[in-house]
Amino acid sequence: EADIYQTPRYLVIGTGKKITLECSQTMGHDKMYWYQQDPGMELHLIHYSYGVNSTEKGDLSSESTVSRIRTEHFPLTLESARPSHTSQYLCASSSYREGADTQYFGPGTRLTVL
Amino acid sequence: GQQVMQIPQYQHVQEGEDFTTYCNSSTTLSNIQWYKQRPGGHPVFLIQLVKSGEVKKQKRLTFQFGEAKKNSSLHITATQTTDVGTYFCAGQKTSYDKVIFGPGTSLSVIP
Repeated sequence: EADIYQTPRYLVIGTGKKITLECSQTMGHDKMYWYQQDPGMELHLIHYSYGVNSTEKGDLSSESTVSRIRTEHFPLTLESARPSHTSQYLCASSSYREGADTQYFGPGTRLTVL
Repeated sequence: GQQVMQIPQYQHVQEGEDFTTYCNSSTTLSNIQWYKQRPGGHPVFLIQLVKSGEVKKQKRLTFQFGEAKKNSSLHITATQTTDVGTYFCAGQKTSYDKVIFGPGTSLSVIP
């Protein structure tokens, strides 16, 4: 099992607050990702990084930002949370092995914006 | 852009019945990966296939990669309640491209 951690696991906040979701991995993976997923639904890629100081927006338009200053750390920030941001946020890192980028997911952060 | 589709979206089976989910890509893939997400959990990697026509087995699960490397299937023999969850396929066009996930197939098993 991979070592990838997310904090907090659950967060309930009011509209307009600034929040940062933390994600760390201890496997030395270069690639890291943030996905947004509503319960039982598709995974939507919102940001990804192929290494330190490299970040890209994903397929789903998002009002969040990310940074990658250290290999092991990939935090996601929402400057002003809104009820539409209520969802589960999954962080992942990947390792290229045997011909494919295998993704390892963290436990997720369930965010509720009131 | 590249798209990965899965059918069916939902499947309800009686315990002991077989189950199959299909994954189709709009473009040729260099690999296919399968993940399982239990209710309330996060996706967990099951297996990857990289060769045309490749077949791999994990106990009651059989994974297949099509000859044209554009489709794949996951077959579960004699389902159990522990098989409940959403099964996602994911693929890459090349090893340098992003991994694209399919929308998933949600499996319910009736005891």
